[in-house]
Amino acid sequence: GAGVSQSPRYKVAKRGQDVALRCDPISGHVSLFWYQQALGQGPEFLTYFQNEAQLDKSGLPSDRFFAERPEGSVSTLKIQRTQQEDSAVYLCASSLVQEGEAFFGQGTRLTVV
Amino acid sequence: QKEVEQNSGPLSVPEGAIASLNCTYSDRGSQSFFWYRQYSGKSPELIMSIYSNGDKEDGRFTAQLNKASQYVSLLIRDSQPSDSATYLCAVLGRFGAGTRLTVKP
Repeated sequence: GAGVSQSPRYKVAKRGQDVALRCDPISGHVSLFWYQQALGQGPEFLTYFQNEAQLDKSGLPSDRFFAERPEGSVSTLKIQRTQQEDSAVYLCASSLVQEGEAFFGQGTRLTVV
Repeated sequence: QKEVEQNSGPLSVPEGAIASLNCTYSDRGSQSFFWYRQYSGKSPELIMSIYSNGDKEDGRFTAQLNKASQYVSLLIRDSQPSDSATYLCAVLGRFGAGTRLTVKP
């Protein structure tokens, strides 16, 4: 596709359940970012990949959060043992280079009940 | 101190006025600066990028960068109600909290 694609668009998880969120970046984009956005806040940085290498994971809030991009294209953000405070919109963005213009997917709205 | 700081607003201007949005950043090594617009319930969309000191104009939008002061701003001329949105400043993959702009008819 022409843009960044994220799935699912919506996810409801019971507290304690594991979830996996997928991001399919723009073809050829080397850089991939994950963000968490709470209502009324700006996107909070979670992690950054350059190809398959996870170069920065300083924003991951706990060891329950894990991200991978094994072949340098599609990325998955996994949250284990979800908690209510994990409820947010998770955004993925990709860019041609690290300091280049980043384009966002539609986001995944996660609700933990 | 956060890496990217914005006045959270909200900012309200009448239709036709100039809206001025400001952003400061902490990393002196930053080379690329971006403004995004985010409508409620939607993802951020890129509206301006700026890489060197000075002004960059694109239609009704002007981005201004001052690396010595670590300051970047966005001016929206002839503001329209359709410009009502949250404006996000981004530096090195980090975003500010956003400034919510309302343009009143």
